[in-house]
Amino acid sequence: NAGVTQTPKFQVLKTGQSMTLQCAQDMNHEYMSWYRQDPGMGLRLIHYSVGAGITDQGEVPNGYNVSRSTTEDFPLRLLSAAPSQTSVYFCASSYPSSGEFFGQGTRLTVV
Amino acid sequence: ELKVEQNPLFLSMQEGKNYTIYCNYSTTSDRLYWYRQDPGKSLESLFVLLSNGAVKQEGRLMASLDTKARLSTLHITAAVHDLSATYFCAVDPAGDMRFGAGTRLTVKP
Repeated sequence: NAGVTQTPKFQVLKTGQSMTLQCAQDMNHEYMSWYRQDPGMGLRLIHYSVGAGITDQGEVPNGYNVSRSTTEDFPLRLLSAAPSQTSVYFCASSYPSSGEFFGQGTRLTVV
Repeated sequence: ELKVEQNPLFLSMQEGKNYTIYCNYSTTSDRLYWYRQDPGKSLESLFVLLSNGAVKQEGRLMASLDTKARLSTLHITAAVHDLSATYFCAVDPAGDMRFGAGTRLTVKP
């Protein structure tokens, strides 16, 4: 089992560019989520999904879109990158009421 | 607004000593999670506490949950250097997970 796989691991974007962060899990988890982690702060939830076809906003959803067409995949789209979106992004998956499995993270820099 | 507060935020302790990290949250939740993060790494699930009075132990770490007080504790017994990491608590009362800011633990010889 690969667990939760995120790609890319590192990315540099110019302000205004768009991109998609990929996340895939092979554990058949219904729950998937995206977080961002900024220095000195805990993780903040961007969007989450409780199953294919169902997504919802978390604490900091502005500037990001998600979709969940399959159980395995949960991509995060940055619509028009801004320097404030410079962060480390983590994707996670879990069964209900169980601890989340996290991917290795994507370090994104917007210049 | 749901708030999750951890204290202390920084903790430096000597090997062999005991200490407790506290996690307070501002709204009703029957589920609380503890995670560990090593520098530059991802997060690893440590404990899932699902009811009032729940207590779980793994090695030198023990976590407990008091839902009435909206308080969880992570107790460290006889600390060793390998426990040096950042520890996060998190709650998800409505499906959207909220994390505390983390406690950076350094265990010194």
